[in-house]
Amino acid sequence: EAQVTQNPRYLITVTGKKLTVTCSQNMNHEYMSWYRQDPGLGLRQIYYSMNVEVTDKGDVPEGYKVSRKEKRNFPLILESPSPNQTSLYFCASRKDTGELFFGEGSRLTVL
Amino acid sequence: AQSVTQLGSHVSVSEGALVLLRCNYSSSVPPYLFWYVQYPNQGLQLLLKYTSAATLVKGINGFEAEFKKSETSFHLTKPSAHMSDAAEYFCVVTFWVRSQGNLIFGKGTKLSVKP
Repeated sequence: EAQVTQNPRYLITVTGKKLTVTCSQNMNHEYMSWYRQDPGLGLRQIYYSMNVEVTDKGDVPEGYKVSRKEKRNFPLILESPSPNQTSLYFCASRKDTGELFFGEGSRLTVL
Repeated sequence: AQSVTQLGSHVSVSEGALVLLRCNYSSSVPPYLFWYVQYPNQGLQLLLKYTSAATLVKGINGFEAEFKKSETSFHLTKPSAHMSDAAEYFCVVTFWVRSQGNLIFGKGTKLSVKP
């Protein structure tokens, strides 16, 4: 089954404790991206990757890092999380014809 | 600059009534347009897409959208709302498919369906 898998789905952490949210897709898509969803602000893009070893900033990249060492994986790293990074995060991959495939989301709370 | 605007953050309709969710975009080049739906506690799913083949696009669950270049609009409609249509709907614009990495999301419209 074609899917995008994110882990963890739910996480509560404390300020400053590094964390990684993993994202994996099994559709061989070149393009992957991360979004955060906040009430009243819709989805905002954090980082995207056009292909392996190619990443670029989206609209809200501050406080986040990504890497794309292999095509299927695109982890999101929060080196020193802060409470303003409490949010619902979505990973997505994109087909060549433009459609996005989203993961189920990761709800992060930073205390 | 390119942008997308969804008019109305909340829309409420009665079951069986017409659903109309509005989306307008601004662009100097031909856009690719998408509607996604997000059910509670889930990720987004593609409802339908416009990629210049036909101006009236049919999607899943009885939804359709019409691309109107003169009005720079891509409104989503469904003739008869069902309770299961209650969700949040996002209009998304991208301007190239392969070479452009960024997509622009509307802020979303939450649809409520009253019995």
